[in-house]
Amino acid sequence: AQRVTQPEKLLSVFKGAPVELKCNYSYSGSPELFWYVQYSRQRLQLLLRHISRESIKGFTADLNKGETSFHLKKPFAQEEDSAMYYCALSGQGAQKLVFGQGTRLTINP
Amino acid sequence: GAVVSQHPSRVICKSGTSVKIECRSLDFQATTMFWYRQFPKQSLMLMATSNEGSKATYEQGVEKDKFLINHASLTLSTLTVTSAHPEDSSFYICSARDPSQGGGYTFGSGTRLTVV
Repeated sequence: AQRVTQPEKLLSVFKGAPVELKCNYSYSGSPELFWYVQYSRQRLQLLLRHISRESIKGFTADLNKGETSFHLKKPFAQEEDSAMYYCALSGQGAQKLVFGQGTRLTINP
Repeated sequence: GAVVSQHPSRVICKSGTSVKIECRSLDFQATTMFWYRQFPKQSLMLMATSNEGSKATYEQGVEKDKFLINHASLTLSTLTVTSAHPEDSSFYICSARDPSQGGGYTFGSGTRLTVV
C-alpha cells in the first residue's frame, strides 16, 4: 500500500529563515515522489519531483530511501512562499497519486 | 505545461438530484484521469481512476453507484454524483498525467459542490 505522512499540519517561520517541510512515505517498491503547492484560491501546481532533481523557486528535495523521506527545503524563506504544500507518491505502474495530509506554511514578515 | 479544464467551478443542488462534473484535457490526450475529493482543511483523497473506454477503478470505500464515472473520449472524463445528499458536499478535483512534464500530474481547478 502507498502511504504518505506529513507530520506538521502547520509551520510558521520568519522571512529569511530556513524552511524544512517533512515528508515520509511507505511503499514496498520504487516510488516516484512529488511536492505540490497550492496558493490561496489557485489550483494545485507541481513544485518538483525527485527524478528531475531540479530546484524550483529555491526549493529542493532529496529522496532518502534509507529513511523513506522526501523533505522539502529552502534556505531563505520568502513571504510569497506562504501556501499549502502537499507531498505525494506514485507507485510503479499504478499511476495513481496518493497525497499526504498537507502542511500549511506561513512566512511571517 | 498541459491544462486540465474542470467545470463547473461551483454548483449548488437540492438533495436527491444528480450533478455532473466535467474534466477535459485541453491540449493533450489523457487515457487515464483521476478524481479526488477534498474536505475543508483536509488533503486530497483519491476516489477513482478513470480509464478511457473501460470501467473506472474505485478506491476502497467509494460507492461506485453513487459516483458514476464516464471516460468516453481521450479528452473528457465526467463524474456524476447521483442522488446527492448534504454529506456529499465537498470540493472535487480531477487530474491527469501531463506528457509535457514527463509524466507529472496536472490538476483541474476543482468543483465546489454544495447540496442543500
